[in-house]
Amino acid sequence: EAQVTQNPRYLITVTGKKLTVTCSQNMNHEYMSWYRQDPGLGLRQIYYSMNVEVTDKGDVPEGYKVSRKEKRNFPLILESPSPNQTSLYFCASSLEGVGHEQYFGPGTRLTVT
Amino acid sequence: QQQVKQSPQSLIVQKGGISIINCAYENTAFDYFPWYQQFPGKGPALLIAIRPDVSEKKEGRFTISFNKSAKQFSLHIMDSQPGDSATYFCAATPAYSGAGSYQLTFGKGTKLSVIP
Repeated sequence: EAQVTQNPRYLITVTGKKLTVTCSQNMNHEYMSWYRQDPGLGLRQIYYSMNVEVTDKGDVPEGYKVSRKEKRNFPLILESPSPNQTSLYFCASSLEGVGHEQYFGPGTRLTVT
Repeated sequence: QQQVKQSPQSLIVQKGGISIINCAYENTAFDYFPWYQQFPGKGPALLIAIRPDVSEKKEGRFTISFNKSAKQFSLHIMDSQPGDSATYFCAATPAYSGAGSYQLTFGKGTKLSVIP
């Protein structure tokens, strides 16, 4: 089954404790992206990757890091999480970019206390 | 700054009625306009998309109307059903025109409730 998977689905952590949210797709897509969803703000893009070893900042990259060492994986790293990073995070992938259908993962709900 | 303004924030429609959600944009380089549907607890999923070379696109009960001169586009859901109750996001990108072509800008979303 073609899908985007994220882990963990739910995470409660404390300020400053490094964490990684994993994202994996099995569709051989070149493009992957991370979004955060907050009430009243919609979906905002954090980082994206056009292909292996090629990443760039989205609209809200502060406090986040990403890497793309393999085509299928695109982890999101929070080196020192803060309460304002409490949010619902979605990973997405598409064939070649945002002009193609984005396939979203199920989401990761992160709470930073 | 690239923005997409979406309205209304919430919408209640009776079963069988027409749901209309509007979006407006500023960046004339935008050339791809998708709509995503999100059910509670799920990730968004592509519903329908349009490029500015056409003024309307229809897929079943869902229609996008596009007004290039006004820089507006809208989603019409005909014969709305309770199963259509979800949050709808419009989006825009200069996907085919260069600068920013790997970024997708979303509206803030419309929560649609279709009541029986």
